[in-house]
Amino acid sequence: DILMTQSPSSLSASVGDRVTITCQASQDISNYLNWYQQKPGKAPKVLIYDASTLETGVPSRFSGSGSGTDFTFTISRLQPEDIATYYCQQYDNLPVTFGPGTKVDIK
Amino acid sequence: QVQLVESGGGVVQPGRSLRLSCAASGFSFSSYAMHWVRQAPGKGLQWVAVIYFDGSGSTESYADSVKGRFTISRDNSKNTLYLQMDSLRAEDTAVYYCARGGDSNGWYFDYWGQGTLVTVSS
Repeated sequence: DILMTQSPSSLSASVGDRVTITCQASQDISNYLNWYQQKPGKAPKVLIYDASTLETGVPSRFSGSGSGTDFTFTISRLQPEDIATYYCQQYDNLPVTFGPGTKVDIK
Repeated sequence: QVQLVESGGGVVQPGRSLRLSCAASGFSFSSYAMHWVRQAPGKGLQWVAVIYFDGSGSTESYADSVKGRFTISRDNSKNTLYLQMDSLRAEDTAVYYCARGGDSNGWYFDYWGQGTLVTVSS
């Protein structure tokens, strides 16, 4: 199975800050990488698919980049409603695997 | 609008069976890959299974942890996805979500249900 790691596991930032989360795959996954936001008690929501494509309706402050084994997810200006856990997910090889998540809160 | 509504969760003893359902509406159900994803209490997301049509027929795939015990199926005439869970174990305790495979490719999950909790306990 492809192992996905994320860093940091949690972070605190101020409103308006730029927030960056990294995701690393244990082998080359090309751009087969998606990002999700999950708020407490809610189902996850896809934000980015294929490493850098913004899902319809998702604010442009969210972005993704990378290919191969190293990926980055960025919130350009953190908003209070962005408080959530963020997960990366690969689909290059079955089984689909998720990263362990990064919890983002407001400082 | 797209809606996915899971049902069938509950408390079940180890070794017993349970069948989850996911009623879909608002889209052409038969045209999309459908997935089950679970989340143990306080833990991260784990993909469970997928079912999709690959041109020659229906194809299913499973996480190793459920292979041989869980069966994913769909009834396109009823717009419903199922997960038959047999030989349940304590580690299967989780919220189970059904999710639709994305429009551009079937391997991101663009719509999710609200989830149904399965608790395996004696």
